[in-house]
Amino acid sequence: DAKTTQPPSMDCAEGRAANLPCNHSTISGNEYVYWYRQIHSQGPQYIIHGLKNNETNEMASLIITEDRKSSTLILPHATLRDTAVYYCIVSENRDDKIIFGKGTRLHILP
Amino acid sequence: KAGVTQTPRYLIKTRGQQVTLSCSPISGHRSVSWYQQTPGQGLQFLFEYFSETQRNKGNFPGRFSGRQFSNSRSEMNVSTLELGDSALYLCASSLAAGGRNGYTFGSGTRLTVV
Repeated sequence: DAKTTQPPSMDCAEGRAANLPCNHSTISGNEYVYWYRQIHSQGPQYIIHGLKNNETNEMASLIITEDRKSSTLILPHATLRDTAVYYCIVSENRDDKIIFGKGTRLHILP
Repeated sequence: KAGVTQTPRYLIKTRGQQVTLSCSPISGHRSVSWYQQTPGQGLQFLFEYFSETQRNKGNFPGRFSGRQFSNSRSEMNVSTLELGDSALYLCASSLAAGGRNGYTFGSGTRLTVV
């Protein structure tokens, strides 16, 4: 079973920051937080991952709370092309397999 | 560089037949994982291969099998097809086992069983 909880859907206005929350209250010390997204009819796309520090790349920022029980993916300037299902996953990535939950369906509104 | 290539893109099979799907990972990637995606169950993990060895397996019946070759290319096979096996089958590759630095997914093979 997935170890994360995400809202089923969210809306965001085009050009605004999209903040996608994820709860992972049972996360262990060795588990990373990964984010993927899946645009309709395509395979999932890796976005970002982190352990405990905040991370940023060209696609997004990942903010992990100090207790590591939740995180937020931030898309700084959402565009219509960011409309997708976003998956938050925790994985020890050593012997663990990546288990996808139901994700959050993000709608970017023009 | 070339991405993850899955062939064929679309496939129609009859109940009871068997099918083999192919996945060519990104050059240099040694880990290949397979997922089944259906509208009702979402993305479900099938198995992962690393250096020709199966590292992990999901909760699927023995009709689902896979293998990985020395060049890291992978195949999955489904025998005695059932209508419920209709799905999008996705392959993902990674440099390290367990997708440590993130998986790259292919576009999938859409299998329809009639």
